[in-house]
Amino acid sequence: ETGVTQTPRHLVMGMTNKKSLKCEQHLGHNAMYWYKQSAKKPLELMFVYNFKEQTENNSVPSRFSPECPNSSHLFLHLHTLQPEDSALYLCASSQDQGAAKNIQYFGAGTRLSVL
Amino acid sequence: QKEVEQDPGPLSVPEGAIVSLNCTYSNSAFQYFMWYRQYSRKGPELLMYTYSSGNKEDGRFTAQVDKSSKYISLFIRDSQPSDSATYLCAMSVSGSRLTFGEGTQLTVNP
Repeated sequence: ETGVTQTPRHLVMGMTNKKSLKCEQHLGHNAMYWYKQSAKKPLELMFVYNFKEQTENNSVPSRFSPECPNSSHLFLHLHTLQPEDSALYLCASSQDQGAAKNIQYFGAGTRLSVL
Repeated sequence: QKEVEQDPGPLSVPEGAIVSLNCTYSNSAFQYFMWYRQYSRKGPELLMYTYSSGNKEDGRFTAQVDKSSKYISLFIRDSQPSDSATYLCAMSVSGSRLTFGEGTQLTVNP
């Protein structure tokens, strides 16, 4: 266990559905991240929250909406997704986004399929 | 040009072989270098972390950084079937986002 838990592990949704991904970290970290992992591509950083404040939005389409109610929880709200959004969505946390080392710890991911 | 280049493989070796995994990069400001291991259906887990140039050893794993050549390596000695996974290199400038390579898929055959 890495201390970062993601639910659900698998999700199948239609293009008109609304769903949410959840991430919880038990490491006492202050920074949380959403990444998209597609086959044969490097991890794509989507959003960063540091001390509950969004500090990065990497030009992500508005059909992805993050929410960070506290430093331990992170959500990714999904609506009207496209088939090309099918991927593994990874949550990560680190002590502080601005820390020199910035070692990130990952959850197991949510495998999303958009039909 | 990608900021970090990593051969995606797949790489297949017999058990007991020495494995060499590599990444090259273009940003000379990178100072922190990491290797993550990702098993199938799991998230990446930190395997090795190195600051600046030099070598770091942990059991069967050795990480090397050559900043002059902008080249990092991960060596696995006496490889085991349990080492079969995708290995991701990652690097950063102090306090900035991680930049990942594409990942190399490794299979160690019994």
